[in-house]
Amino acid sequence: DGGITQSPKYLFRKEGQNVTLSCEQNLNHDAMYWYRQDPGQGLRLIYYSQIVNDFQKGDIAEGYSVSREKKESFPLTVTSAQKNPTAFYLCASTTGNYGYTFGSGTRLTVV
Amino acid sequence: AQRVTQPEKLLSVFKGAPVELKCNYSYSGSPELFWYVQYSRQRLQLLLRHISRESIKGFTADLNKGETSFHLKKPFAQEEDSAMYYCALSGNTDKLIFGTGTRLQVFP
Repeated sequence: DGGITQSPKYLFRKEGQNVTLSCEQNLNHDAMYWYRQDPGQGLRLIYYSQIVNDFQKGDIAEGYSVSREKKESFPLTVTSAQKNPTAFYLCASTTGNYGYTFGSGTRLTVV
Repeated sequence: AQRVTQPEKLLSVFKGAPVELKCNYSYSGSPELFWYVQYSRQRLQLLLRHISRESIKGFTADLNKGETSFHLKKPFAQEEDSAMYYCALSGNTDKLIFGTGTRLQVFP
C-alpha cells in the first residue's frame, strides 16, 4: 500500500499530552512534509525537511515538533502547546520533481 | 506572498455537464501549478501539472499568467469525478502551497 505509511490511522489524545505521529517512506525521497487538513481550510504546511538532519517550519509550526534522523522517517510530535490539535494530518514526500506522494493520514482527536 | 485561491467550496453539476473548477494564484515569479484530487476514502493524489500539458481522466488545465489562473476543466462530467480537488503552487522550492479545495459533486 503506497510507499508512504502513516500510523496510527486514528489517535486520541488527552488534554496536556504529547503524541507522536509516524511517517515512513520507502521511496528514497529526499524531501518530506507534514500538512494539517481542516474542513474549509485546505492543507496547511506544518514542517518540512529536504534532507536528513535538517527541517524547517511551515506556516503553522507552533505547538508541533519534528525530527529527521533517517531519510525514511519523519515523525511529527503534537505537543500540549498546540491549542487546537484535533485535525487530519497528512505526510508527503517528493523527489524534487514536484510530484508529491501522500500517506493515508492520521486523524487526531483530543478527548 | 504565495497564495492559492479556490473561490468555490462546492460545485454541483449533473452528469454530462461541463465542469470548471477555478484556481487563482499569487506569486511574483514563475510558478509550477498542480491539481490534486482526493476521492472518498482514498489518498490525496496528483491529477495533473501544468508543465506536462497532459490530459488526465479528461481533465485539462491551462496556466494563464496574465490572469494568474489555472482553472481545471472537463467537457463532460462523470459521476466518478465526484471528489475534493485542490489547486497547489510551487515556487522556487519544493514546498507546495495548497488552496482550500473545491468539492465537486456530479449527480446522475
